[in-house]
Amino acid sequence: EAQVTQNPRYLITVTGKKLTVTCSQNMNHEYMSWYRQDPGLGLRQIYYSMNVEVTDKGDVPEGYKVSRKEKRNFPLILESPSPNQTSLYFCASSLVGREAFFGQGTRLTVV
Amino acid sequence: GDSVTQMEGPVTLSEEAFLTINCTYTATGYPSLFWYVQYPGEGLQLLLKATKADDKGSNKGFEATYRKETTSFHLEKGSVQVSDSAVYFCALIVSGGYQKVTFGIGTKLQVIP
Repeated sequence: EAQVTQNPRYLITVTGKKLTVTCSQNMNHEYMSWYRQDPGLGLRQIYYSMNVEVTDKGDVPEGYKVSRKEKRNFPLILESPSPNQTSLYFCASSLVGREAFFGQGTRLTVV
Repeated sequence: GDSVTQMEGPVTLSEEAFLTINCTYTATGYPSLFWYVQYPGEGLQLLLKATKADDKGSNKGFEATYRKETTSFHLEKGSVQVSDSAVYFCALIVSGGYQKVTFGIGTKLQVIP
């Protein structure tokens, strides 16, 4: 089954404790991206990747890191999480110019 | 830059009512247009799409027509059901060296029996 898999689905952590949210897709898509969804703000892009070892900042990259060592994986790293990073996060993948497929989301709470 | 405008809602309708969610866009090139749906507790799913002017996308009784002259892609359904309660996002992609999906803010639809 074609899918984008994120883990974990839910995460509660403390300020400053490094965490990684994993994302994997099995559709051989070149393009992958991370979004955060906040009430009243919709979806905002954090980082994206056009292919292996090619990543770039989206609209709200501060406080986040990503890597793309393999085509299928695109982890999101929060080196020192803060409460303003409490949000619902989505990973997405697509072929260039085509519709995006989304993961189920990761609800992160930073206390 | 590119942008998508849609009402945030919530939009509350009775079952079997007619639905319209407006979506207008601005884009620097020739975009493909999409509607995504997000059911409670889930990720976004593609509902329908249109890739060029005058194309009509349709799925599950929903329709939207790509109107280049009015830069619009309004979502319609003739008779909504309680199960259609969700958040609906209008989105566009302008392909090129930089592929980015630009989303509207999302419109929450509540259908009451």
